[in-house]
Amino acid sequence: QVTLKESGPGILQPSQTLSLTCSFSGFSLSTSGMGVGWIRQPSGKGLEWLAHIWWDDVKRYNPDLKSRLTISKDTSSSQVFLKIASVDTADTATYYCVRIDSAWFAYWGQGTLVTVSA
Amino acid sequence: DIQMTQSPASLSASVGETVTITCRASENIYSYLEWYQQKQGKSPQLLVYNAKTLAEGVPSRFSGSGSGTQFSLKINSLQPEDFGSYYCQNHYGNFPTFGGGTKLEIK
Repeated sequence: QVTLKESGPGILQPSQTLSLTCSFSGFSLSTSGMGVGWIRQPSGKGLEWLAHIWWDDVKRYNPDLKSRLTISKDTSSSQVFLKIASVDTADTATYYCVRIDSAWFAYWGQGTLVTVSA
Repeated sequence: DIQMTQSPASLSASVGETVTITCRASENIYSYLEWYQQKQGKSPQLLVYNAKTLAEGVPSRFSGSGSGTQFSLKINSLQPEDFGSYYCQNHYGNFPTFGGGTKLEIK
């Protein structure tokens, strides 16, 4: 059974760095073709893809946010991490961790709400 | 960036009706198109991949069609559990992009 679970700080202040962790089970990120990514959704709004990382450590970033994003993985602990630098109120959203099957987002975590507020 | 435009933005329908949601890509994306359903307060779920292939466990009343720049998601005989938001997503470009969503409400 594939599960993904996001964890984050809940609330942080503008200009800080947001650190998110995705802990997953039911698959290994060392398996060829496997990928894990991050998608966010401001309350009442649509979905925005942020980044993903493949089994071979290839990384892809949303070009609109690339300068602020860093994705990484720890295969041995079945975790993927996302850091977003210099956050502001526009980064307030629910952040989802997803498993990528071929090219689509087949499995989603429950999401973690992040609020940026002074 | 490949822009994805969904229509309508919102839709009101009754149980038992048939509805169609459309998604237009700003350039040819062949069949690299997915559909997701999101119920209120829940995570999105994959419905259709590669434009017309139903994901595992998705009821056959859902169907996807289209290629190139024009796509559609059809829901036959709406059930109470079908109400929520629907998003299209392309995976052809340099990075995935989503449509703005269609909110399907009960009439």
